Amino acid sequence: AQSVTQLDSQVPVFEEAPVELRCNYSSSVSVYLFWYVQYPNQGLQLLLKYLSGSTLVKGINGFEAEFNKSQTSFHLRKPSVHISDTAEYFCAVSGDNNNDMRFGAGTRLTVKP
Amino acid sequence: DTGVSQDPRHKITKRGQNVTFRCDPISEHNRLYWYRQTLGQGPEFLTYFQNEAQLEKSRLLSDRFSAERPKGSFSTLEIQRTEQGDSAMYLCASSRRGSGNTIYFGEGSWLTVV
Repeated sequence: AQSVTQLDSQVPVFEEAPVELRCNYSSSVSVYLFWYVQYPNQGLQLLLKYLSGSTLVKGINGFEAEFNKSQTSFHLRKPSVHISDTAEYFCAVSGDNNNDMRFGAGTRLTVKP
Repeated sequence: DTGVSQDPRHKITKRGQNVTFRCDPISEHNRLYWYRQTLGQGPEFLTYFQNEAQLEKSRLLSDRFSAERPKGSFSTLEIQRTEQGDSAMYLCASSRRGSGNTIYFGEGSWLTVV
């Protein structure tokens, strides 16, 4: 069974600073990895996903993530954050069937002026 | 693309009452999922359908919970004899069948049991 650990529950940063949100996964089979963002009182929106191929994945809103198989990580990065990036970010992993998608506990990103 | 819609968005109910949530998935998505999310946690898988067939149920889905997708389109999630521990956001999502296909989420239905 897959599982995900998000290493930071809260990440405060100043506007225009770079940010990295950390995610480690465990799985005994090939995995697909996802990052979702959740704004207050809303559902989850897909930022990016890794299925195969290039280990550097680019998503929406200037975010990117790098799949590192040897370190079983899928960290999310953005070189310069905006106030509007303040939200909850979830890393998720699934196997061959989407029905086994598992989410981390989330990282609360707070961007301060 | 109209997205996944859920109704109602918010529900306050007294303990012991029954509640029902409805989900309309993205058209042509044959997979539909229900998740539960409590404050400070990520979504937890409850159940999923492929067309009208309910193919998997989590152990989180007690006997008081039942989900249906009678015609393979919209779905309902009913909670009978609600308990305070049922207070959470119930998220519906849908996807096309296939590995790695994006799961699209609705905006959720908040349940508060008082």
